[in-house]
Amino acid sequence: DAKTTQPTSMDCAEGRAANLPCNHSTISGNEYVYWYRQIHSQGPQYIIHGLKNNETNEMASLIITEDRKSSTLILPHATLRDTAVYYCIVSPTRAGGTSYGKLTFGQGTILTVHP
Amino acid sequence: DSGVTQTPKHLITATGQRVTLRCSPRSGDLSVYWYQQSLDQGLQFLIQYYNGEERAKGNILERFSAQQFPDLHSELNLSSLELGDSALYFCASSTSGKDEQFFGPGTRLTVL
Repeated sequence: DAKTTQPTSMDCAEGRAANLPCNHSTISGNEYVYWYRQIHSQGPQYIIHGLKNNETNEMASLIITEDRKSSTLILPHATLRDTAVYYCIVSPTRAGGTSYGKLTFGQGTILTVHP
Repeated sequence: DSGVTQTPKHLITATGQRVTLRCSPRSGDLSVYWYQQSLDQGLQFLIQYYNGEERAKGNILERFSAQQFPDLHSELNLSSLELGDSALYFCASSTSGKDEQFFGPGTRLTVL
């Protein structure tokens, strides 16, 4: 599985957009980018995933560069409840093939949203 | 609430003992995963089952074993416990075994 690099920590003001970067320069063609977050010892929470197109759901937007070597998770209007560790994970194909869906978590980015 | 349930929430035991952690996946999910989170190792994948069969194995110790039953719930058995086994153990489930995973609240194991 491709490795990812994320900043150790970031701050964001409440109500502003939080932009969390992730570098995955060794990503291969069949690997998806997943984002999860973990709020203080709770179970990790799935946020969003993508292959090469930008994606948006009710929680966040995911912007993947054209060369797929990096991505940015955007929380459009951060709230205090978004304070968490955010994990960017690259995982093999979702359909077909023989790879299965284990997730390899790195250290993630500690996002602190302040009033 | 992810729909994944884990019991017990907390478990305190002594070195050398054996414990069983239980996980019920979301309704309709066929795949179950187990992860261990300790302070020094972070979140680590242990093992995955799909519809009762083992599908992938991570850094799971030989003292640990798991299984998935016909009703799709799963159990993680930890034996000959050591102090270093103290950790949060998370179960996750997914529909196909290759898609997004939904995590339970975890079981906090303390080995004294």
